[in-house]
Amino acid sequence: QQQVRQSPQSLTVWEGGTTVLTCSYEDSTFNYFPWYQQFPGEGPALLISILSVSDKKEDGRFTTFFNKREKKLSLHIIDSQPGDSATYFCAASANSNNRIFFGDGTQLVVKP
Amino acid sequence: AQTIHQWPVAEIKAVGSPLSLGCTIKGKSSPNLYWYWQATGGTLQQLFYSITVGQVESVVQLNLSASRPKDDQFILSTEKLLLSHSGFYLCAWRGDNQAPLFGEGTRLSVL
Repeated sequence: QQQVRQSPQSLTVWEGGTTVLTCSYEDSTFNYFPWYQQFPGEGPALLISILSVSDKKEDGRFTTFFNKREKKLSLHIIDSQPGDSATYFCAASANSNNRIFFGDGTQLVVKP
Repeated sequence: AQTIHQWPVAEIKAVGSPLSLGCTIKGKSSPNLYWYWQATGGTLQQLFYSITVGQVESVVQLNLSASRPKDDQFILSTEKLLLSHSGFYLCAWRGDNQAPLFGEGTRLSVL
């Protein structure tokens, strides 16, 4: 059973547009949700993260939203830039647990 | 500042040959360390984690083993490579905010 589901698998947006990526999870003990950005040939880089006690966290053009009742989270990228073209992964873990589960990733292309 | 370094950057190996990949973290005492595997275009699959020297927990069985010989070192190895071992191997440490923070990765091609 996949612990974290991510959609869409791929996405193309125009420069300046808003990108929305979504994830859902099953395990109600998950309380920490990081998002990663990965460029080809590189390791994933932590982009933004949120704890289950919050429903929103913002960092510049990136905002993550969390809905505990629906067990869903999302990543919004405003004013998307060609340099944002990458694969994005959501992940989930339970407090102090060393098991971290990743979604399948979303390949984002931002066209100029 | 903490730094994590993986070696080698890339490997091309024959089926049935042995493998050893390494990871070193500097600037962090007693880190929790992780090994992940990523198929081309795929998700990140956690393989092992270690919370202290000499202690390693396996997450999935992929005919791989891991060891933590020093506080700042994590080794991934196998005696016989399979074609299915090809992919991108990532070492990570647990950051202060709980998220794994990844190294540059090692690209492995098994032929």
